[in-house]
Formats: sequence, structure tokens, C-alpha cells
Amino acid sequence: KQEVTQIPAALSVPEGENLVLNCSFTDSAIYNLQWFRQDPGKGLTSLLLIQSSQREQTSGRLNASLDKSSGRSTLYIAASQPGDSATYLCAVSDTNSNSGYALNFGKGTSLLVTP
Amino acid sequence: DGGITQSPKYLFRKEGQNVTLSCEQNLNHDAMYWYRQDPGQGLRLIYYSQIVNDFQKGDIAEGYSVSREKKESFPLTVTSAQKNPTAFYLCATRQGAAEAFFGQGTRLTVV
Repeated sequence: KQEVTQIPAALSVPEGENLVLNCSFTDSAIYNLQWFRQDPGKGLTSLLLIQSSQREQTSGRLNASLDKSSGRSTLYIAASQPGDSATYLCAVSDTNSNSGYALNFGKGTSLLVTP
Repeated sequence: DGGITQSPKYLFRKEGQNVTLSCEQNLNHDAMYWYRQDPGQGLRLIYYSQIVNDFQKGDIAEGYSVSREKKESFPLTVTSAQKNPTAFYLCATRQGAAEAFFGQGTRLTVV
């Protein structure tokens, strides 16, 4: 069964720093990988979707990379701001399951950006 | 306003009671999913449906039931058989393997 791991579990940085969040998965047979943001008590907001054939995707200050063969993805946040404080979740949908493109989630990285 | 609407935002269940969580979407997506989120754990799949009148069990389906009578709606019933239902419940939709979208969640508490 696909297992998704996110490191670190929590991260605190001063405003303005560039930072990297890590995601690893055990089964490289994936359709794609999606990064989400979750604010306390809220639903998930999609940030980036990377297809299995892609190496990276960019949206504003966010850049996500994918190395499917090694089972790794990183989310790079440039020039962090206090408004970036949230939990970041990584999820993959894999080709070996029969769960209709359902996402397998990591436990998330809780990010705090201090002014 | 497009998207996914979950209701209610907060729900309280007494012992032995069944409760139903609503999920409605106007994205015209074929697939809908229910996830459960507990503190310190990732989201876990309860049920999913890829087409009207068809649905499949996820990893933690025991104590839950669903229906998919309309493309727009995928309600989740938490039955009295679910012994530890206190959690945050999230509904998602997806068209094939494209980007998945989530509702704002329902927080269920046993009283």
C-alpha cells in the first residue's frame, strides 16, 4: 500500500526566508502528486498538481518538484510571509490501487512564519 | 459560486444516533470522495463514488454509509456502529486524475 511521509512535521522560520518542505512516497507508480494548504479548522486548498511525467510546477512564490523514480517531491516557498503559516499536505494518486484516483495523504508539515 | 458545499459546519451526535453529512458540488465532476481527518493523522479515505448509483468502500468504511443518487450530491451517514466518530470530515471531487478540490469540512463531535 502506498505510504506518504512528510518531513519535517513542524517548521518555524522568520519572515523572508526561503524554505523547502519534503514529501516521499513508497510506490513510484503514480498518476500525479498534489500539494495542498490547510488553515486551522478549514478545508484543503489546492496549491499545485504535478503530473508523473513532469519535473516541476510553479505558481507565484511556490515551486514544486517531482522525482518519481526516487519517490520524492519538494515544495519550495520563496520569501516566506506570515500569511504562509498553515499546514501543507502532500498527496499522491497511484496507478496500483483500485480506488478511483483517490488521494493518499501524508500527515502534513505545520509551518509557522514569524514576523 | 462554483465549488463544493459541505453542511453543516458543526454537528453534534448523541450516543446511538445516526447523523448525515451533506456534500454538494457544482463542478460537474464524476468522482466524489469522503475523507476523515484526526489530529496527528493524515486524511483517510472512507468512501468514494466514480459515477451515479455506484460507490466503493475506502480504507475505513466500517460504521459509515453513503449514497449517490445524483451527480451533484454524495451524503455521508455516520451510523451508531461507528464507535469513535469525533473527527473532521472532508468531501472532495475530481474529474479523472485531474486536480482534486475539497469542501470546507464538517466537524462532528459526540456529546
